[in-house]
Amino acid sequence: KQEVTQIPAALSVPEGENLVLNCSFTDSAIYNLQWFRQDPGKGLTSLLLIQSSQREQTSGRLNASLDKSSGRSTLYIAASQPGDSATYLCAVDQAGTALIFGKGTTLSVSS
Amino acid sequence: NAGVMQNPRHLVRRRGQEARLRCSPMKGHSHVYWYRQLPEEGLKFMVYLQKENIIDESGMPKERFSAEFPKEGPSILRIQQVVRGDSAAYFCASSRGEGAYGYTFGSGTRLTVV
Repeated sequence: KQEVTQIPAALSVPEGENLVLNCSFTDSAIYNLQWFRQDPGKGLTSLLLIQSSQREQTSGRLNASLDKSSGRSTLYIAASQPGDSATYLCAVDQAGTALIFGKGTTLSVSS
Repeated sequence: NAGVMQNPRHLVRRRGQEARLRCSPMKGHSHVYWYRQLPEEGLKFMVYLQKENIIDESGMPKERFSAEFPKEGPSILRIQQVVRGDSAAYFCASSRGEGAYGYTFGSGTRLTVV
């Protein structure tokens, strides 16, 4: 049974820092991995989608990597800003199942 | 091109009433998924539907919960005889199909049972 773990559960950093959020999964047979952002009381916004054949994806200050063989993904946020404060969710898509989510990393960026 | 539309955004029901949550997928998406998010917990899969078919309902409680995605109209998640423990955020997602397409989520319906 696939399990997705995100570390750390919470992270506080000052504005301007580069930071890394980690995601691990137990079954490497995935279609893709998707990173989402969720603001308090809001829905999910898709940030990056990495196909199983890809190693990384970039969008602006965000870079996500995928290492299927080791069951790991990282989300790198460069030059963090207070507006980046949110919960970041990692989810894997497998054949025959719907998205399986980690519990998220809650990020707080102080000005 | 509207995204995934969920309504209502907030729903308050008394114990024992019925709750109906609606989801219209993105244009061109034929696959709909419902998730529940309880306070301090992650998103949990409930049910996966295509038009007129339930594909996977392994995450849905056997009693009081049902879902449909009719040929015309939105997908409906119905909770009968609601209890306080049903209070949660319910999210709908849609995709073009299984595989490497990614998912788009709606803004959710926050159900409060009083």
